[in-house]
Amino acid sequence: GEDVEQSLFLSVREGDSSVINCTYTDSSSTYLYWYKQEPGAGLQLLTYIFSNMDMKQDQRLTVLLNKKDKHLSLRIADTQTGDSAIYFCAEIFNTDKLIFGTGTRLQVFP
Amino acid sequence: DTEVTQTPKHLVMGMTNKKSLKCEQHMGHRAMYWYKQKAKKPPELMFVYSYEKLSINESVPSRFSPECPNSSLLNLHLHALQPEDSALYLCASSQEGIVGGGAEAFFGQGTRLTVV
Repeated sequence: GEDVEQSLFLSVREGDSSVINCTYTDSSSTYLYWYKQEPGAGLQLLTYIFSNMDMKQDQRLTVLLNKKDKHLSLRIADTQTGDSAIYFCAEIFNTDKLIFGTGTRLQVFP
Repeated sequence: DTEVTQTPKHLVMGMTNKKSLKCEQHMGHRAMYWYKQKAKKPPELMFVYSYEKLSINESVPSRFSPECPNSSLLNLHLHALQPEDSALYLCASSQEGIVGGGAEAFFGQGTRLTVV
């Protein structure tokens, strides 16, 4: 199936690290993505990782990929209130469809 | 310019109306997509155009009719919609299409559609 699962909600204190997890389904996915969606807005691509990589770091963002377990995570260091949003992981399913996870709402409190 | 522009931002239409959503990109991307997003749900793929040809139709009802007049424009024609079609409609584009190697997909801000 095409279910890409994420935990629904994450609450962190400002300045702490946030870790958002994702379990995907298609082991042949070549790319995996993280998107951010603020209320009422479109999707902003944050980062992506190629399937032959285990880790990718981009400023405050670190992506970890465990292909054996089909598990993807996004770590946001020094989380700020502006990071509050919904975060979607996405995979390429059957080589031709970008399928989104269920989304994780991140709330950052002072 | 890494923008995908969608118009209108908001649209309210009756069930007997005909309206169109528009999407434009000038990044030279050859793949364009329509997604539908209901509240508190992930975006769901509707259509994919690759090199101006419809390559994927995810069994979308015929009251939604996509059109790709040229490589920069993508339209979604709406006719006889139902209230349950109310959603955020997102357009996206990517350089060569997902099959071409997982190129980054850039999304527009969406059109929030309300069917009354």
